[in-house]
Amino acid sequence: KQEVTQIPAALSVPEGENLVLNCSFTDSAIYNLQWFRQDPGKGLTSLLLIQSSQREQTSGRLNASLDKSSGRSTLYIAASQPGDSATYLCAVSENRDDKIIFGKGTRLHILP
Amino acid sequence: DVKVTQSSRYLVKRTGEKVFLECVQDMDHENMFWYRQDPGLGLRLIYFSYDVKMKEKGDIPEGYSVSREKKERFSLILESASTNQTSMYLCASSSRTGWNFGPGTRLTVT
Repeated sequence: KQEVTQIPAALSVPEGENLVLNCSFTDSAIYNLQWFRQDPGKGLTSLLLIQSSQREQTSGRLNASLDKSSGRSTLYIAASQPGDSATYLCAVSENRDDKIIFGKGTRLHILP
Repeated sequence: DVKVTQSSRYLVKRTGEKVFLECVQDMDHENMFWYRQDPGLGLRLIYFSYDVKMKEKGDIPEGYSVSREKKERFSLILESASTNQTSMYLCASSSRTGWNFGPGTRLTVT
């Protein structure tokens, strides 16, 4: 059974620093991997989607990488800002039309 | 942009009441999902649907049912609400380009 793990559970960094969030999954046979952002009490916003054939995706200050063989993905945030404070969730899909399995998230706090 | 809307942001119901949570998406997505989110447990899949009138159980279907009479609408039903169903409920729809979530409904059962 696929399991998705995110470490650390919480992270605080000073504003302006570059940071990396980690995600690992137990079964490398995935269809795609997504990173989401969730603000307190709100729904999820999709940040980046990486198909299984891709190695990375970039959007603005965000860069997500995927290493299927090792079962790992990272979300790199450059020049962090207080507005980046949120919970970041990693999720994998094993088939095109299948449900996705979430990690429990990393709660990020950017210190002004 | 895909829009997934949920009927209520906050809902308070009494134990034993029948509760309907409605979800509507406007992008003609085939797949729709209901999750609940609890501190320390993350998001857990309740039910999902790949087509009209079709439904599949997720990881925690007990105490819930669903209805999908139209492609754009996926309803979650709590037949007899209990206090352990107090939670944040999130609806989502998906296509090959990714997933889109609604804003969530925070349900409190007293």
